[in-house]
Amino acid sequence: GDSVTQMEGPVTLSEEAFLTINCTYTATGYPSLFWYVQYPGEGLQLLLKATKADDKGSNKGFEATYRKETTSFHLEKGSVQVSDSAVYFCALSDRGSSNTGKLIFGQGTTLQVKP
Amino acid sequence: SAVISQKPSRDICQRGTSLTIQCQVDSQVTMMFWYRQQPGQSLTLIATANQGSEATYESGFVIDKFPISRPNLTFSTLTVSNMSPEDSSIYLCSVVGRSSTDTQYFGPGTRLTVL
Repeated sequence: GDSVTQMEGPVTLSEEAFLTINCTYTATGYPSLFWYVQYPGEGLQLLLKATKADDKGSNKGFEATYRKETTSFHLEKGSVQVSDSAVYFCALSDRGSSNTGKLIFGQGTTLQVKP
Repeated sequence: SAVISQKPSRDICQRGTSLTIQCQVDSQVTMMFWYRQQPGQSLTLIATANQGSEATYESGFVIDKFPISRPNLTFSTLTVSNMSPEDSSIYLCSVVGRSSTDTQYFGPGTRLTVL
C-alpha cells in the first residue's frame, strides 16, 4: 500500500541555518503531497502542498518540490527561526483507484531551532 | 479555509467510561475524517464520517469502540467507548472543503487522558 517515509529526528539547528527534511513516498497512483506542521500543544496546520509532478509548494519561506522521478517531496527553508520549532509531517492523499481521500502520514520530524 | 472547532479541547476520564467529541465546521464540507495521534506518534485515520450513513472504518478500528455520527454537512461526533489508558491520545477531526478536492484542514484536536 501507499506509504510515506520521513527522515528521523529530532533535528536541531541554530537560528538562520538552512533546513532540509527529507520525505519519500510510495504510491500506486498520482497522489497529492502535503507538509503539515504541528506547533507544541496545537493541532495540525497545512504548510504547503503540491498536486502534480514538478509542482513547487511554498509558504512562510518553506518550499518543497514534487519529484516523481525520485518519489520525493523534501521540505526546505533557507533560514530558520526559533518560531519554526515544531513537528513537521509529510503526507500523501489517496487518489488511486479507491480515491478515498484519506491522508497517509509520515512519522513526523521534530525540529528544534536554538537562538 | 474552513474554521473548525472541537469540544472538549481536553479531558481526563476514568477507565470504563465514554467520551463524545464534537467537531463543528463553519461551512458545509464534502468529507470529514477522524484521526488519532498517540503520544509522540504520527496520525492514524480512524474513520471517514459519512453524512447520513454509517462511517467507514479503517482496519483496526470498530464501530462499537468508536461510534461516529454525521447528521449534516457541518457537524460530526466521535465517541470513545469503554475507555482504557491505551486510548489516551489526541483525537483530531479534519475536513475537505467544497472548493478543494483533496486538501484536508484539521481541527485543534481533543487531548484525552484516561486514568
